[in-house]
Amino acid sequence: DIQMTQSPSTLSASVGDRVIITCRASQSISSWLAWYQQKPGKAPKLLIYKASTLQSGVPSRFSGSGSGTHFTLTISSLQPDDCATYYCQQYETFSPCTFGPGTKVEIK
Amino acid sequence: QITLKESGPTLVKPTQTLRLTCAFSGFSLTTNGVGVAWIRQPPGKALEWLALLYWDGDKRFSPSLRNRLTVNKGSSRNQVVLTMTDMDPADSGTYFCAHRPLGAFYFDFWGQGLQVTVSA
Repeated sequence: DIQMTQSPSTLSASVGDRVIITCRASQSISSWLAWYQQKPGKAPKLLIYKASTLQSGVPSRFSGSGSGTHFTLTISSLQPDDCATYYCQQYETFSPCTFGPGTKVEIK
Repeated sequence: QITLKESGPTLVKPTQTLRLTCAFSGFSLTTNGVGVAWIRQPPGKALEWLALLYWDGDKRFSPSLRNRLTVNKGSSRNQVVLTMTDMDPADSGTYFCAHRPLGAFYFDFWGQGLQVTVSA
């Protein structure tokens, strides 16, 4: 299986800060990567798919980039509502899909 | 509007079989390319994909759990049923069903989740 890692595991930033979360795959997954936001007690919410395509209705302050094994999720201006845990998920065609361990984002 | 909702027992004993139902609306499982997946999350831990049922009846399973899982359409055409045998306390967590859109293996709509505890 393809293993996913994320860094940092937790980050604390101020409202208005630019936040970057990194996701790495153990082998190339082209652009087959999605990002989810999960708040406590809730289901995950799809933010981005195919590494950089914003899901309908997701604020434009969220963006994704990368390909191969290295990906990033950027929040251009952190808002209080963005406090959550963020997960990446690879869905390379010939491998079972796997999720990263998550990055918890907190407001300072 | 696509919605999904999980139902089933919230408490099962070790070695028992878990049977969960996902009731959905807003799409048809006969539509080309569509799928319904099951994903779980142990308390405080990451998400783990379990299984996927495709519109054409094809199925995919997590390799580590393949021997314990079955997934089928339910008695109603808008239901998918997951069964997991030989339940263990390590299987405790929240179980989600989710919609897989055409052409990709990510999940754009999710149920609210069902918390399942495995305990004697």
